[in-house]
Amino acid sequence: SAVISQKPSRDICQRGTSLTIQCQVDSQVTMMFWYRQQPGQSLTLIATANQGSEATYESGFVIDKFPISRPNLTFSTLTVSNMSPEDSSIYLCSVEGFRDGYETQYFGPGTRLLVL
Amino acid sequence: AQTVTQSQPEMSVQEAETVTLSCTYDTSESDYYLFWYKQPPSRQMILVIRQEAYKQQNATENRFSVNFQKAAKSFSLKISDSQLGDAAMYFCAYRSSGAGNMLTFGGGTRLMVKP
Repeated sequence: SAVISQKPSRDICQRGTSLTIQCQVDSQVTMMFWYRQQPGQSLTLIATANQGSEATYESGFVIDKFPISRPNLTFSTLTVSNMSPEDSSIYLCSVEGFRDGYETQYFGPGTRLLVL
Repeated sequence: AQTVTQSQPEMSVQEAETVTLSCTYDTSESDYYLFWYKQPPSRQMILVIRQEAYKQQNATENRFSVNFQKAAKSFSLKISDSQLGDAAMYFCAYRSSGAGNMLTFGGGTRLMVKP
């Protein structure tokens, strides 16, 4: 399994500002995923990040709002830009690893964001 | 596109009893994976159990087991001898086979365990 850390664990931000969330993995991984979990809701994929290429965004998410960096095989950042209260969510980083020989996704502890 | 449905927003179980959480999914694929994740109040997503669609045998992990009915597209989770620490949100998730594919999650079921 992979050990994933995220920074910050939580933050309170003012509308109109931006926040960058960091995701660090203890091993090299090809694919990293960013999910959003709105209050009381399930998880929705924002984008998939490969090292050395542009992130692939899901419908409803755009690069200008959620720019992603993937500078190496153990690290990624997600920026939430020009924030509004609707961006208040938990943001989770996920990576693909192997368990018993099969691909499995592991999650970081999440970043809880509150936008005022 | 695949969809995952959890029809039970909340469930409760008495400590030491057994509870079953339901999950159905829709797909046209024949090869895929199904997962149950647990999210306690700490919000850390923890993998509980995984099932490969090509396997007829139901997966088990200690007190957790699944009832996988491929034709019915059903994937329920049974928790035996429930413990207070089992209280959490449980999410069913679908993933296409092959590397690098995303998870599609159901809406979640909140499990409460009564002492």
